[in-house]
Amino acid sequence: GAGVSQSPRYKVAKRGQDVALRCDPISGHVSLFWYQQALGQGPEFLTYFQNEAQLDKSGLPSDRFFAERPEGSVSTLKIQRTQQEDSAVYLCASSLVIRATSGYEQYFGPGTRLTVT
Amino acid sequence: AQRVTQPEKLLSVFKGAPVELKCNYSYSGSPELFWYVQYSRQRLQLLLRHISRESIKGFTADLNKGETSFHLKKPFAQEEDSAMYYCALSGQYGNKLVFGAGTILRVKS
Repeated sequence: GAGVSQSPRYKVAKRGQDVALRCDPISGHVSLFWYQQALGQGPEFLTYFQNEAQLDKSGLPSDRFFAERPEGSVSTLKIQRTQQEDSAVYLCASSLVIRATSGYEQYFGPGTRLTVT
Repeated sequence: AQRVTQPEKLLSVFKGAPVELKCNYSYSGSPELFWYVQYSRQRLQLLLRHISRESIKGFTADLNKGETSFHLKKPFAQEEDSAMYYCALSGQYGNKLVFGAGTILRVKS
């Protein structure tokens, strides 16, 4: 079946522009995560949704970053007034369950590579 | 603080040689440990998790709570194992994954 999809795959923004990154999780997946991956680093957690509720946004680096999942399915990560340090790959992942038992798996999308010039 | 350390950025071995990718973690509690793999031009995918105690593609990893390690091992490397490997943890009742910086495994023929 279809996996997690993200669009656009590549985005070039001029410094100061706003961008919106989209994530389509696997159908029926309750949990949705956003991660930021800088060059040469592992992914770093940004925020987490359980259905439409944003339960953890502790990883968002500044108030320029905003995420939503209004109907509990598709999610959008918005970055306002982009800065060069925002250049990274943004990964979305979804998971079937709220971690009711051990061993849940997060399924990752291909990522959106954002370059801020 | 939760932290995952992968001390090697690159590990290069010959085909048929044993492989050990190191992973150490710090976490106050009982985390779950995972290994994720990213093959060239593919997305990040789960390789194995300590809870399952399984062997995937010949890889195994044992959680050593005393040494806070979760090293990934394979007795005989194959060329198709060449990829980026990430060790990750999540809290016992948490959801987010904390990743290490990753290790590139290069298997030479």
